[in-house]
Amino acid sequence: KAGVTQTPRYLIKTRGQQVTLSCSPISGHRSVSWYQQTPGQGLQFLFEYFSETQRNKGNFPGRFSGRQFSNSRSEMNVSTLELGDSALYLCASSRWDNGGNTIYFGEGSWLTVV
Amino acid sequence: GENVEQHPSTLSVQEGDSAVIKCTYSDSASNYFPWYKQELGKRPQLIIDIRSNVGEKKDQRIAVTLNKTAKHFSLHITETQPEDSAVYFCAARGKLIFGQGTTLQVKP
Repeated sequence: KAGVTQTPRYLIKTRGQQVTLSCSPISGHRSVSWYQQTPGQGLQFLFEYFSETQRNKGNFPGRFSGRQFSNSRSEMNVSTLELGDSALYLCASSRWDNGGNTIYFGEGSWLTVV
Repeated sequence: GENVEQHPSTLSVQEGDSAVIKCTYSDSASNYFPWYKQELGKRPQLIIDIRSNVGEKKDQRIAVTLNKTAKHFSLHITETQPEDSAVYFCAARGKLIFGQGTTLQVKP
């Protein structure tokens, strides 16, 4: 069974540009959540999607957005990139969006903003 | 908003000693509490989890305890080994909010 797949793995962008990251969850998983990880800041929750609906949202500015498609694949977009957006962006999937459903992480997308 | 506090931020132990990491959560609706281990440059990996209807769970050298009344849960690692060195994250699900992480160093 394939794991959570994130693309691209590495990318470099310039300030002011926008970026789209993609996440394919484990087959059968309908919940996808996104996290930003920076050194010393742990895993900051961005948002969670279930069945194409955003269920929860973290405390990030509106420049960060996401969506989920009918096949459960998800994308997140960051517009008007800032240097501080440089981070590892992790996607995680689970079968449902509540209860004790094991959550699996992808390898992450390393974003560098220059 | 929901919050998970994790302590300590760094922990250094001698090989063979025990390590304990503690987390406190704020959302009383949280009902699932996983622990993840993240090695340098790798994704977080689930090592153990506990559901709200259970007070303790053990898996070999790793155990987790949950006190729902006090809203805190702890990770216990016994007989630590150098390969246990990593960053450990606790989390609480309502939203899946993570603690800030504990860097565990096991000295041989």
